Amino acid sequence: QKEVEQDPGPLSVPEGAIVSLNCTYSNSAFQYFMWYRQYSRKGPELLMYTYSSGNKEDGRFTAQVDKSSKYISLFIRDSQPSDSATYLCAMSGDNTGKLIFGQGTTLQVKP
Amino acid sequence: KAGVTQTPRYLIKTRGQQVTLSCSPISGHRSVSWYQQTPGQGLQFLFEYFSETQRNKGNFPGRFSGRQFSNSRSEMNVSTLELGDSALYLCASSLGWGNNEQFFGPGTRLTVL
Repeated sequence: QKEVEQDPGPLSVPEGAIVSLNCTYSNSAFQYFMWYRQYSRKGPELLMYTYSSGNKEDGRFTAQVDKSSKYISLFIRDSQPSDSATYLCAMSGDNTGKLIFGQGTTLQVKP
Repeated sequence: KAGVTQTPRYLIKTRGQQVTLSCSPISGHRSVSWYQQTPGQGLQFLFEYFSETQRNKGNFPGRFSGRQFSNSRSEMNVSTLELGDSALYLCASSLGWGNNEQFFGPGTRLTVL
């Protein structure tokens, strides 16, 4: 079993929909949680960076961390065709610098 | 502020050869981490360098090595290439050792024939 599980999709939604992306994990030592967006043939782009449990909002993006359930989510409001990409969750323990990634979820937003 | 740069962007090598990839971190960032991305295994951590020292290492064979220079630029080397080494190699920079807020470069796509 992988340390971080993420449904690969693909996930297809109409423009303007609210998108929910999720990851589960098994290592209770994880304290830092990140979401990256990766366009085809590009490097991952950091979207959200959170520490421990709670919510963080940045524009149309909201990240949620529930450490008790070992579950993290990324919500995208008013989704746009330009949001079509692969979304990767990543997490890490204290002071390791080693990120553990999910497999990534492919999202397609249709006009 | 310029982002992470990686050179070359594309490489084609044959089995048994060796390859060196280069990474320049964001200005002011002193830690560089390397990752391998393949369709089957996803993104996997190779190693992290800070202050010219390897601080953390992933589960890869000794054929994979790296180094960091005094200006924080980093190189990774893969010797005796195998077909399975074909991948996108990504470099990420962060402010300091163990810092998890990492910013990625565009990657070097290596094809081994």
